[in-house]
Amino acid sequence: SQQGEEDPQALSIQEGENATMNCSYKTSINNLQWYRQNSGRGLVHLILIRSNEREKHSGRLRVTLDTSKKSSSLLITASRAADTASYFCATLTGANNLFFGTGTRLTVIP
Amino acid sequence: DAGVTQSPTHLIKTRGQQVTLRCSPKSGHDTVSWYQQALGQGPQFIFQYYEEEERQRGNFPDRFSGHQFPNYSSELNVNALLLGDSALYLCASTGSNEKLFFGSGTQLSVL
Repeated sequence: SQQGEEDPQALSIQEGENATMNCSYKTSINNLQWYRQNSGRGLVHLILIRSNEREKHSGRLRVTLDTSKKSSSLLITASRAADTASYFCATLTGANNLFFGTGTRLTVIP
Repeated sequence: DAGVTQSPTHLIKTRGQQVTLRCSPKSGHDTVSWYQQALGQGPQFIFQYYEEEERQRGNFPDRFSGHQFPNYSSELNVNALLLGDSALYLCASTGSNEKLFFGSGTQLSVL
């Protein structure tokens, strides 16, 4: 079963707008990672945030983590048409395996 | 530096048949994980191999088995295929950090 759940399931925005995706998970984690997938192919790692971190930035990406609420959010600023993809959160547990959420399908309209 | 490579890209099988999927990890990586991704879903963890042994296993039946070779490449075998086994099978490798590097996947269709 999935460890995490993303919200919303689908998001459609205009180019230049910001996109926010949320992830909730169930158990204690070592870290939380966000991945991107284009057209059902391989996933690409975007950013990793450790359980003792609250916020992390990478280029146009900003990730927050609230371990008390077991939730994370991914913000993509100034979106581009090329950002159109599915985005997944994944949690690393003590068993050292990554468990993925259900994904958010982002469409950026030019 | 080659990334993670998977073969074949696409595969069509019939129910009851057996299939073998192959994966070569990124150079320098010694750990290989396999995931199953059904259409519209997130990847589901099947198992992970390290030092030629299955280290962790997800909630998949024994019909799913694997192997890791001394050069760290890996195979995923599925026996007695069911229609529900139709999915994208993803291989991912990792080294000393916790990031996964994914291959492009094998799209398996069971008819």
